[in-house]
Order: sequence, then C-alpha cells, then structure tokens
Amino acid sequence: AQTVTQSQPEMSVQEAETVTLSCTYDTSESNYYLFWYKQPPSRQMILVIRQEAYKQQNATENRFSVNFQKAAKSFSLKISDSQLGDTAMYFCAFMKHAGQGAQKLVFGQGTRLTINP
Amino acid sequence: DTEVTQTPKHLVMGMTNKKSLKCEQHMGHRAMYWYKQKAKKPPELMFVYSYEKLSINESVPSRFSPECPNSSLLNLHLHALQPEDSALYLCASSQDKKIGNTIYFGEGSWLTVV
Repeated sequence: AQTVTQSQPEMSVQEAETVTLSCTYDTSESNYYLFWYKQPPSRQMILVIRQEAYKQQNATENRFSVNFQKAAKSFSLKISDSQLGDTAMYFCAFMKHAGQGAQKLVFGQGTRLTINP
Repeated sequence: DTEVTQTPKHLVMGMTNKKSLKCEQHMGHRAMYWYKQKAKKPPELMFVYSYEKLSINESVPSRFSPECPNSSLLNLHLHALQPEDSALYLCASSQDKKIGNTIYFGEGSWLTVV
C-alpha cells in the first residue's frame, strides 16, 4: 500500500526566510507522480508543484522547488523568500491507481506552515 | 482564481433534510471527483466520474448520492445524513481519469449536519 508521511505537523519561520517541508512515501511502483498542495485558511486546495518520478530533474515553480530523492523515497518542498501569503497547510500527495483505469490522490497528514512578519 | 466552482460555500442541514452540493468546471475536463475532508485531516476520495459515468465509489454510504448530468457539472445529493458527516466537501477535476493528470480542486462546501 502506498503511504505518505509528513513528519513536521507545524513549522514557523520569519518572512523572507527559506523553509523546507519534508515528505516521505512508500510505494512499489516504478513510475508515479507526486504533488504538493497548499490549503490556506480559505480551504481551497491549491496545486503548488508536481513531480513525475521518471524525470530526474527536480521540479521548480517560481519560489517553490522540490528535492526529489527517488531511491530514498523522499520529496521535500523548499520555499524560498517566504511571504506572508505562504501561510497555509501544506499537503504532500502521491497519485496512485484507483481501479477502473482511474487515479486518486493519497495525502500525507499535512504540515501547518506559518510565516511571521 | 479557481476554475472549479462549488455551491453553496456553507450548508447547514438537519438529519432528515435533503440537500445537494453542486460543482461546475469550465476547463473541458472529463474526469470529476468528490473528496471529503474532516477537520484537521487530509482529504479522502469519495467518488470518481469519467465521461459522466461513475468509475469509482470508495465504499461511500448510500446517503451520499453523486450525479454527473454533463461533463461540466457534478452534484452530490445528501439525504438522512449524520452529524459525523459534517466536513468540507471538495470537488475536483482533471483532464481525464488516467494516472498522471493533475487534479484541480474547488474551494469546497462546508457542510454541518445538526
């Protein structure tokens, strides 16, 4: 079974600092997809970044980047120059087959990130 | 701005009521999803629709009844719910249901069952 573990329930940093959120996962599949979503107080799940396992290059999206270590099954998210608007719950998610040719996201428990002024 | 729109944003219903949650997307996606998120927990999949047909039902109780009238709309009909069904219900869509397609979420509908 695929599982996703986020070991940091809460983190807090000062504005403009860099912060790294950790995520590990367990799977026996060779090709898969990983995501980071953020959920601010508005509760909408917003896609932050996506990584395809067969791609060696780490995904980046502006101030957000990942450190994807396939052998270690690690998928951490780095936020550079953090901003107040980055305050949110961050979920790491593994995309798996759900049967009938469909997909589903399996989420970790989340890391609550607070950016302080 | 989200391209997956959910209504209502908030709903309070009694255990004997019948209500519906609605979801609409205009991205031309052919797969739509309902996820349920309890407080301080991650979302969990409930249903997957592909080309307006139900693909996946994650053993959801029959008091939740999904409907996909067309490729842009997804409803969740609620009847005889229990207080423990109070949660945030997230609608989502993707290009199609096959693995690898990014899933985009709406803002959710907060449901309180009294």
